[in-house]
Amino acid sequence: QKEVEQNSGPLSVPEGAIASLNCTYSDRGSQSFFWYRQYSGKSPELIMFIYSNGDKEDGRFTAQLNKASQYVSLLIRDSQPSDSATYLCAGRVYGQNFVFGPGTRLSVLP
Amino acid sequence: DTEVTQTPKHLVMGMTNKKSLKCEQHMGHRAMYWYKQKAKKPPELMFVYSYEKLSINESVPSRFSPECPNSSLLNLHLHALQPEDSALYLCASSQDGGQVGQPQHFGDGTRLSIL
Repeated sequence: QKEVEQNSGPLSVPEGAIASLNCTYSDRGSQSFFWYRQYSGKSPELIMFIYSNGDKEDGRFTAQLNKASQYVSLLIRDSQPSDSATYLCAGRVYGQNFVFGPGTRLSVLP
Repeated sequence: DTEVTQTPKHLVMGMTNKKSLKCEQHMGHRAMYWYKQKAKKPPELMFVYSYEKLSINESVPSRFSPECPNSSLLNLHLHALQPEDSALYLCASSQDGGQVGQPQHFGDGTRLSIL
């Protein structure tokens, strides 16, 4: 059974702080990982993807991948109330389906 | 705005009706997906088309019938749905051109309510 696990939250952080979202996966064959942001009632929006060990930065967002420990994380620097949403982590073995985690609800408090 | 376009945005139908959801992408993607999403749950895969062929049917009830007329279009035909089928239906596409790390891109979804 291929699984992606996330803490469902809610994760609450004050405005301006760093939000840290974590994800673990069970399938060692997973090669690429994706972070989606989903506002209530809206569709998932791709934030970042990563497939190499280490860090990948894009603006206020940093994705981290550690294949040996089978975890992926997303850091959001200078969190804003507009970052309040559910964050979905997904993993994929090449050529197979995307496997989504249950999502972590983030609340950024003004 | 997304590059995957879904219509209609909202649909209310009775249990005896027949309707269709439509999805279109012009990014040259060769894989297209239908997902069902209930409130506070992750998207749940229903169908995958790869190069216009149905490659995965995750044991979805026959009252849902997918169709892929060409590489840019994906339909989901609905018939005799049940109230528990009320959900957000998401279409997505991905490149799947032999490269690691190709993401899925989602449409805005169709909010379906069954009376």
